[in-house]
Amino acid sequence: SAVISQKPSRDICQRGTSLTIQCQVDSQVTMMFWYRQQPGQSLTLIATANQGSEATYESGFVIDKFPISRPNLTFSTLTVSNMSPEDSSIYLCSVVGGAGVDEQYFGPGTRLTVT
Amino acid sequence: GQQLNQSPQSMFIQEGEDVSMNCTSSSIFNTWLWYKQDPGEGPVLLIALYKAGELTSNGRLTAQFGITRKDSFLNISASIPSDVGIYFCAGPIQGAQKLVFGQGTRLTINP
Repeated sequence: SAVISQKPSRDICQRGTSLTIQCQVDSQVTMMFWYRQQPGQSLTLIATANQGSEATYESGFVIDKFPISRPNLTFSTLTVSNMSPEDSSIYLCSVVGGAGVDEQYFGPGTRLTVT
Repeated sequence: GQQLNQSPQSMFIQEGEDVSMNCTSSSIFNTWLWYKQDPGEGPVLLIALYKAGELTSNGRLTAQFGITRKDSFLNISASIPSDVGIYFCAGPIQGAQKLVFGQGTRLTINP
């Protein structure tokens, strides 16, 4: 399976600021996703990062709040804009890979705390 | 939309005991995935199931794809301390490669 890294691994930010999270994969992948995991909760899909075009957002998530870039098949960024304490979560990128078309592999996550 | 109901939400067991958790849905899934998440880490894929009735093992872990395609279970035999973590079931939303996740089962082991 692909090796996925995320930067930063964690950050503490002040409300009203923005943070950009990077996701780097060691091989070219077609499908890349961003998830949010709020404290003590399960994973919720934010959007599908599309290479060369605008990301596809899930209900409840908008581009102005979570702009996503995907300049090539190995890299994507997620920005959390105008942060509030409610944005404190773990943000995870994932890629589709492996033998099965539905198998997703996750990065280590970025733990964000907004004060 | 498609949802996954996972139970139990938490388990407290003694080291060496066997563990069983399950995942159910009112919708049919064509794939069932089981993940484990350690503190401070991303989920790691344990087992993938693609066929109704399929029983698949990965070491001490065994998972089954329910015959109705609406449920799956994960068993862990002879638990050890490193089994501690949160276990998630997941399945693809029909017509897409997006995953929906269960609420998770938090496993705690008393030595």
